[in-house]
Amino acid sequence: EDQVTQSPEALRLQEGESSSLNCSYTVSGLRGLFWYRQDPGKGPEFLFTLYSAGEEKEKERLKATLTKKESFLHITAPKPEDSATYLCAVQELGGAQKLVFGQGTRLTINP
Amino acid sequence: DGGITQSPKYLFRKEGQNVTLSCEQNLNHDAMYWYRQDPGQGLRLIYYSQIVNDFQKGDIAEGYSVSREKKESFPLTVTSAQKNPTAFYLCASSMRTGGVNIQYFGAGTRLSVL
Repeated sequence: EDQVTQSPEALRLQEGESSSLNCSYTVSGLRGLFWYRQDPGKGPEFLFTLYSAGEEKEKERLKATLTKKESFLHITAPKPEDSATYLCAVQELGGAQKLVFGQGTRLTINP
Repeated sequence: DGGITQSPKYLFRKEGQNVTLSCEQNLNHDAMYWYRQDPGQGLRLIYYSQIVNDFQKGDIAEGYSVSREKKESFPLTVTSAQKNPTAFYLCASSMRTGGVNIQYFGAGTRLSVL
């Protein structure tokens, strides 16, 4: 059974303090790994898709990387507006087009 | 303006009552999904549909029902058989391709029990 585990559950940083969020996954074959951002009381907003080990994608202060067993979301010099819950999800090769989500990391950036 | 519209934003259910959550999309996407989110947990798949007039159960389908009569619409009914319906419900859609499937989400409906 596909499994996705995110760590830490919550992370509190000072503005400008860089860090990384982790997403570990277990699938028989990976079609894609997705990162979403979710603000309180709102739907998730798509950030990145990664397809194969070694791939990296960047958007503003965020960079996502992928290995065969985990993905990292690196946040460089974060600002308070980066505070949100970050969700990781995987789609399995050959299966129905559905995503399996981790429980999320709640990130708080203090000014 | 293309997007996914969920309504209502807040919904209250009485004991023994069925309630229906609406989800409409104008993105011309083939596939649509319903997820449930509980506090501190990730999204869990309730039902999904890859084409009109066809849908499949997800991981937690018991106590829920859906229909897909139109491409644009995928309503979710929370039946009285769902004993713990209080949660945040999210609808998503995606283009049905043979490859990677990016899902885009609506703003959600928060359901509470009176």
